[in-house]
Amino acid sequence: AQSVTQLDSQVPVFEEAPVELRCNYSSSVSVYLFWYVQYPNQGLQLLLKYLSGSTLVESINGFEAEFNKSQTSFHLRKPSVHISDTAEYFCALANAGGTSYGKLTFGQGTILTVHP
Amino acid sequence: EAGVTQSPTHLIKTRGQQATLRCSPISGHTSVYWYQQALGLGLQFLLWYDEGEERNRGNFPPRFSGRQFPNYSSELNVNALELEDSALYLCASSLGPPFGYTFGSGTRLTVV
Repeated sequence: AQSVTQLDSQVPVFEEAPVELRCNYSSSVSVYLFWYVQYPNQGLQLLLKYLSGSTLVESINGFEAEFNKSQTSFHLRKPSVHISDTAEYFCALANAGGTSYGKLTFGQGTILTVHP
Repeated sequence: EAGVTQSPTHLIKTRGQQATLRCSPISGHTSVYWYQQALGLGLQFLLWYDEGEERNRGNFPPRFSGRQFPNYSSELNVNALELEDSALYLCASSLGPPFGYTFGSGTRLTVV
């Protein structure tokens, strides 16, 4: 069975500081990896995804994540955060095949709070 | 382009009743997914429909069911409601796995 572990439930940072949200996964088959962001009382928005190719993927708003197969990680980073980045972030995994095909498995989420 | 739309936004039901939640996917998307986001339990996969067929199902009892219509919209039905069914139900659509899903804003179901 596959699983996703987000190592920090809450991450407080000051504005303009760098941040890293950690995500580790477990799966017996090839995976696709995603980061989603959820603002209060809203649905989830896709931030970035790794399907294949370059292990470093970037979003349009300055976030990046690196797929590390040997460490089974997909950490999310941003060099300088803004107040508007305050939200809950979810790491998710999809198997490339098998009985769980088509299903996204989510981590428990990390609440990022950016302080002025 | 219109996003994934869900209705109703909020739904209050009494224990034992039935709830029906609706979802319209993004135009052109044939796959619809349902997730439950309950307090303390995170996001749990419920159902995946594609081209009108149920393709995969999460670990939920049979009283959670649904269907997908020819226009690819979908309906989630929850029968014999229990208090622990209170949650945010999120619908998502995609062109099919493994593409990233686009989520709707959800239906907040409260069972009293």
